[in-house]
Amino acid sequence: QLQLQESGPGLVKPSETLSLTCTVSGDSISSGTYYWGWIRQPPGKGLEWIGSIYYGGTTSYNPSLKSRVTISVDTSEDHFSLKLSSVTAADTAVYYCARHGEAATPYYFDYWGQGTLVTVSS
Amino acid sequence: DIVMTQSPDSLAVSLGERATINCKSSHSIFYSSNNKNYLAWYQQKPGQPPKLLIYWASTRESGVPDRFSGSGSGTDFTLSINSLQAEDVGVYYCQQHYSTPPTFGQGTKVEIK
Repeated sequence: QLQLQESGPGLVKPSETLSLTCTVSGDSISSGTYYWGWIRQPPGKGLEWIGSIYYGGTTSYNPSLKSRVTISVDTSEDHFSLKLSSVTAADTAVYYCARHGEAATPYYFDYWGQGTLVTVSS
Repeated sequence: DIVMTQSPDSLAVSLGERATINCKSSHSIFYSSNNKNYLAWYQQKPGQPPKLLIYWASTRESGVPDRFSGSGSGTDFTLSINSLQAEDVGVYYCQQHYSTPPTFGQGTKVEIK
């Protein structure tokens, strides 16, 4: 059974960098069968795709966030990571990691982590 | 970006009745080369991540009850929940994956009347 688990600080100061990791179990990122992505949801609001990565390191980012986002992958540890720089209160959200339905992007997301709330505040 | 607009924003339906949610895209999300509409539907319950219900506009994900069905093509799509059950309460989102960035509708909240 595939599981994804987000981890990282729940509180980040304005202007600093948000860093999260998604650990995958029950599947191997290096199988190359899927893309893996990050989506966020501000409290009480809708869903926004941040970006996605393939096992070889190929990335695709939302143009609205591209200048601040870096997604990387560690196939030996079966996890992928998100870094979002220069955060403001507008970046406060539940951050989800998810699997694409196939090795393609964009795509729908068939497995999601439980999500982790990141609050940007001093 | 392709804008996805759902209607209504919320609806209350009696148990056992049908709920219908509409989703309109600002650009056609149909690829004639493979005859597919690049649209998915998700259900989100409070405190939980979204759950994939429907992909390719009308293909039900494994394990999803058959009271959930998707239809439509091009720019106009519908999610129907036949015989609404108490456990169907939640927010429903459509998502296009025709072009980058993939985008979601604003969500439709389904409640019991």
